[in-house]
Amino acid sequence: NAGVTQTPKFQVLKTGQSMTLQCAQDMNHEYMSWYRQDPGMGLRLIHYSVGAGITDQGEVPNGYNVSRSTTEDFPLRLLSAAPSQTSVYFCASSHLGQGERGYEQYFGPGTRLTVT
Amino acid sequence: EDQVTQSPEALRLQEGESSSLNCSYTVSGLRGLFWYRQDPGKGPEFLFTLYSAGEEKEKERLKATLTKKESFLHITAPKPEDSATYLCAVASIIQGAQKLVFGQGTRLTINP
Repeated sequence: NAGVTQTPKFQVLKTGQSMTLQCAQDMNHEYMSWYRQDPGMGLRLIHYSVGAGITDQGEVPNGYNVSRSTTEDFPLRLLSAAPSQTSVYFCASSHLGQGERGYEQYFGPGTRLTVT
Repeated sequence: EDQVTQSPEALRLQEGESSSLNCSYTVSGLRGLFWYRQDPGKGPEFLFTLYSAGEEKEKERLKATLTKKESFLHITAPKPEDSATYLCAVASIIQGAQKLVFGQGTRLTINP
């Protein structure tokens, strides 16, 4: 199993450019999510999905779009990049929490994005 | 609002010097408390899940415990390879979907 994979590893964008961060998992997990990690802010949830065709917003969704057409893939789109979106982005997946229990999430290696 | 606070922010130990990291939390309906290890330039790596007060989990030199308000990650006789940032997160279930709230982490350095 490759687990959770992300591409690219590094990206530099100019303000106003758009791009898509790719995320794929091969563990047949229903739940997938995107986080950004900034110094002093911890990991913050951007968007998440509980299955193909179902997505919802997290804590910091503005400026980002997602879609989920398959169980395996969950791309994150930046429509018009801004310097405030300079960050490290992590994709994660897990089985769906059921009843009283949540499940551990498995993270990809991250994409380091710089917007100038 | 769910909140997680980790202390200390940074901790330096000598090899073999045992200590504990703290994770204090407030959550409306705990569905799990998770510990992760993160090495520089890498994604978080899952360590433990705890579900109820009194529960304990162990892995090599690490032991995680849980009370109703906090969790501790005990490190016994650490080695330099234990140096990393340790993250704590709490899970809640909202409208059938799990959400994790993370603390800011404790950066642990073990000197040889």
